[in-house]
Amino acid sequence: DAGVIQSPRHEVTEMGQEVTLRCKPISGHNSLFWYRQTMMRGLELLIYFNNNVPIDDSGMPEDRFSAKMPNASFSTLKIQPSEPRDSAVYFCASSSMGQGAREQYFGPGTRLTVT
Amino acid sequence: AQRVTQPEKLLSVFKGAPVELKCNYSYSGSPELFWYVQYSRQRLQLLLRHISRESIKGFTADLNKGETSFHLKKPFAQEEDSAMYYCALSSGGYNKLIFGAGTRLAVHP
Repeated sequence: DAGVIQSPRHEVTEMGQEVTLRCKPISGHNSLFWYRQTMMRGLELLIYFNNNVPIDDSGMPEDRFSAKMPNASFSTLKIQPSEPRDSAVYFCASSSMGQGAREQYFGPGTRLTVT
Repeated sequence: AQRVTQPEKLLSVFKGAPVELKCNYSYSGSPELFWYVQYSRQRLQLLLRHISRESIKGFTADLNKGETSFHLKKPFAQEEDSAMYYCALSSGGYNKLIFGAGTRLAVHP
């Protein structure tokens, strides 16, 4: 397995534009997590899904942020409209609910810069 | 409240020196704890989990329930150990993890 796949790896956009980040979890994993990493705030959990259903989105900072998981192999995180303070590295992680398997596997991240 | 505390933002040591990265947790149930490592501009990857009681890359971590700690230790630091280290607590269902703020380890030659 190629691991968790994220695209794009880098995104530079202007303030006000819509940004869509994509994630493909590891096949067979049924939990998916979106994180944001910044120097100031560290690693923040934004939202997570189980069996494609959003379980907790309390970490989503504002209504400008939305996430979907239309099927078991794909998820998106959308920011509309984007702002400079959204600049960060966004990580997706997946996990299996199998017995004893609590580890999360992280993707390479998307480095977002909003100018 | 469930919480993970890593009191040091930066730990700077010389090569060959012992290293201890501190992690304290707050959890009402039976905790399951992990250490993740992030090398420069790479993805986070699992380093250790307490249930495995293993040593990876010379690192060990022991769960101390009395002190609610899970400190990461290595007797002799190497330059390639320089990275960001996150302590994490498994919280409830769905394999949700609560991460600490992270400690940056810098090992100097």
